[in-house]
Amino acid sequence: NAGVTQTPKFRILKIGQSMTLQCTQDMNHNYMYWYRQDPGMGLKLIYYSVGAGITDKGEVPNGYNVSRSTTEDFPLRLELAAPSQTSVYFCATVSSSYEQYFGPGTRLTVT
Amino acid sequence: TQLLEQSPQFLSIQEGENLTVYCNSSSVFSSLQWYRQEPGEGPVLLVTVVTGGEVKKLKRLTFQFGDARKDSSLHITAAQPGDTGLYLCAGARGGGQNFVFGPGTRLSVLP
Repeated sequence: NAGVTQTPKFRILKIGQSMTLQCTQDMNHNYMYWYRQDPGMGLKLIYYSVGAGITDKGEVPNGYNVSRSTTEDFPLRLELAAPSQTSVYFCATVSSSYEQYFGPGTRLTVT
Repeated sequence: TQLLEQSPQFLSIQEGENLTVYCNSSSVFSSLQWYRQEPGEGPVLLVTVVTGGEVKKLKRLTFQFGDARKDSSLHITAAQPGDTGLYLCAGARGGGQNFVFGPGTRLSVLP
């Protein structure tokens, strides 16, 4: 099992561009999450999903959108990228025993 | 304002020394998790503590959950260079599926 996979690993965007960060899990978990990690700030929840077709905002959702059409996939969309969105983005799932499993992350720079 | 505080922020010790890092909050959590994160990778779950006063041991690591379920500590005995990394605590809220992360303690164990 691959667990949680994320693509791309690195990306540089210009201000105003858009992109989609991909996240796929093969663990058949219902819960999926998107976090961003800024230096010295821990992880902050952007959006989460409790199952296919259901998404909800986390702590820092502005500037992002998500969709959850299947159990496996939970893409994160950035519209009109801004320098404040420079960060490392992690996707995660949670098992039925509340154990979180993280992907390897996407390092995004907006210049 | 951080909902979860971690101390110290940085810690550099020699191989063989003991250390304790702390995770504190004014909020009550249904459970608390500790993760270790290495550079360029996602966090990896070490332990989940659920009951106030609970103590769990994982080889040389001892985790304790405060009686009031607001704080936790991680004690490492005879630290090794392989223990080097960012240690994150995360508190679970509500039904246990949403997590708040602390900013982390960056540990460096020198050989």
